[in-house]
Amino acid sequence: SQTIHQWPATLVQPVGSPLSLECTVEGTSNPNLYWYRQAAGRGLQLLFYSVGIGQISSEVPQNLSASRPQDRQFILSSKKLLLSDSGFYLCAWKGDSRNYGYTFGSGTRLTVV
Amino acid sequence: GQSLEQPSEVTAVEGAIVQINCTYQTSGFYGLSWYQQHDGGAPTFLSYNGLDGLEETGRFSSFLSRSDSYGYLLLQELQMKDSASYFCAAVPLAGGGNKLTFGTGTQLKVEL
Repeated sequence: SQTIHQWPATLVQPVGSPLSLECTVEGTSNPNLYWYRQAAGRGLQLLFYSVGIGQISSEVPQNLSASRPQDRQFILSSKKLLLSDSGFYLCAWKGDSRNYGYTFGSGTRLTVV
Repeated sequence: GQSLEQPSEVTAVEGAIVQINCTYQTSGFYGLSWYQQHDGGAPTFLSYNGLDGLEETGRFSSFLSRSDSYGYLLLQELQMKDSASYFCAAVPLAGGGNKLTFGTGTQLKVEL
């Protein structure tokens, strides 16, 4: 079966510290992968997407970066966190079906203090 | 670019029918999807309209009218567990990573 894993579930980090969030997908190959961020009570903002290894497209200029070192691994990083980086980070994978349904990971709730 | 507008909040009673609207402005558009998100959880896929008209999946139905730049999600026989946020999402034309643009979201509150 196809599954998506995201960790950690929660994270509290001081301003200026680095960040690394990891997302892996099982049961598929060459998936389209996405990182979204959701502020409290708000919609989902697309941060990055990747259609293959080493291929990263950035949607919003910001303090974050993404990498795809392996086919089924997508990493979100920051060298120095800002208070405004707080939010709910979601990794998503577009399935192979024609209904364009995304499967989301369980999310990481990041609080920068 | 794309923008999708939804009412911020809708309240309905258990057993009722509720409609959540989504109006959009987009320069390129392939279809409309709907997602449900419970508090603290991740969004889950509900339905997809690639063609104009109604798609039915159990208690949930979704409708799309491209000529009106409008869609809606219809929830029937509301249950308390349907209390959640609902998002429409535009599926772009082929290419560009098939990246979804999400609507502003509607918080549905189901009351006894």
